[in-house]
Amino acid sequence: EIVLTQSPATMSLSPGERATLSCRASQSVSNYLAWYQQKPGQAPRLLIYDASNRAAGIPARFSGSGSGTDFILTISSLEPEDFAVYYCQQRSNWITFGQGTRLEIK
Amino acid sequence: EVQLVESGGGLVQPGGSLRLSCAASGFTFSKYAMAWVRQSPGKGLEWVSTIGVRGDSTSYADSVKGRFTISRDNSVDTLYLQMSSLGAEDTALYYCSKAPYSASWPHGDYWGQGTLVTVSS
Repeated sequence: EIVLTQSPATMSLSPGERATLSCRASQSVSNYLAWYQQKPGQAPRLLIYDASNRAAGIPARFSGSGSGTDFILTISSLEPEDFAVYYCQQRSNWITFGQGTRLEIK
Repeated sequence: EVQLVESGGGLVQPGGSLRLSCAASGFTFSKYAMAWVRQSPGKGLEWVSTIGVRGDSTSYADSVKGRFTISRDNSVDTLYLQMSSLGAEDTALYYCSKAPYSASWPHGDYWGQGTLVTVSS
């Protein structure tokens, strides 16, 4: 099983700041990595697929990068609605999710 | 507008069974692979099972293999998850999710709001 490790577990930032979230895979997943946003009481929302492709309707401030084992989700300038939990997910070998990064308001 | 509405969750005793349903609308259900993903209270996401467009291609997480069965009825645009031999570890919010294409579920572009399954005596 491919283990995805997200860091940090919690990140405290202010609106307008840049957020950089990390996802590291225990073995290469090529570019088969997606990112989701989840707010309390809501379902996950697809942000990025195949490492760097923004899903439909996702603002340009969200971007993804990386390949192999190391991936980054960047939010260029945080809006109040961006404070949530973010998960990465790989599809290279079955399907697994990271444990999540909680992005909270500082 | 794509809508996925799960139902069938509830309280069940250990060792019991339950069938979840996911009613789909707003897209051509028969053209997309589907999946179930669960989330234990306060925890992260766990993939459970995936099914192809015709229902003849299925896959399961090791944690549910042999106990859960995924199926679909394209005539009524509904996805199912039959769960048996339930244990406390199966307590979770169960989401159904749509794939972006037919071949497989690489990620979910749409998700339902989930149905809660609680396994307890």
